[in-house]
Amino acid sequence: QVQLVQSGAEVKKPGASVKVSCKASGYTFTSYYMHWVRQAPGQGLEWMGIINPSGGSTSYAQKLQGRVTMTRDTSTSTVYMELSSLRSEDTAVYYCAISHNYCSSTSCYPFDPWGQGTLVTVSS
Amino acid sequence: EIVMTQSPATLSVSPGERATLSCRASQSVSSNLAWYQQKPGQAPRLLIYGASTRATGIPARFSGSGSGTEFTLTISSLQSEDFAVYYCQQYNNWWTFGQGTKVEIK
Repeated sequence: QVQLVQSGAEVKKPGASVKVSCKASGYTFTSYYMHWVRQAPGQGLEWMGIINPSGGSTSYAQKLQGRVTMTRDTSTSTVYMELSSLRSEDTAVYYCAISHNYCSSTSCYPFDPWGQGTLVTVSS
Repeated sequence: EIVMTQSPATLSVSPGERATLSCRASQSVSSNLAWYQQKPGQAPRLLIYGASTRATGIPARFSGSGSGTEFTLTISSLQSEDFAVYYCQQYNNWWTFGQGTKVEIK
């Protein structure tokens, strides 16, 4: 079955960068798009961006433009999310999730399934 | 950006009772609306997509309705495993989530 396994928890200082991985299995890696979503403690869900594992093209939430970079390694079926210039407000659980396609002229697609999440703590 | 507003923030329900959750979009999203369930310490799980289609393996007690800007998730008879936080998501124009409704035991 489709499975997404993320890397372990990270603790970073303000101003540093973090790179979180998401290893996919159970399907053809280049067939589906991968998203990153984050959730601050006790808060809701925030979409961060999307990567096409086939060609590597990306789109990011405007709020994070310039600080987030999503990449992929097709040889290991792994997607990476790197967030730079970390601040305390970036403390959150970061999830990867799949959508079966990007967006058509009439709609985009929901997310299913999700990875287990990676806690990133930013603290001095 | 399309803003999604969920109500109520918290819903207290007794096991076996019906729960009705609401989600409103700031502009029409057609039927491009999904519902997710999230339990403590777990990732969200897709329940409903296309406003009313249950995802694979989701019990029939979960149903979704609505289109345009007004949507409803109904849980017909709450089981112990249904107490969780529920999020709506529009995917008509990129992706945005509501702030969630917590369904707690009354």
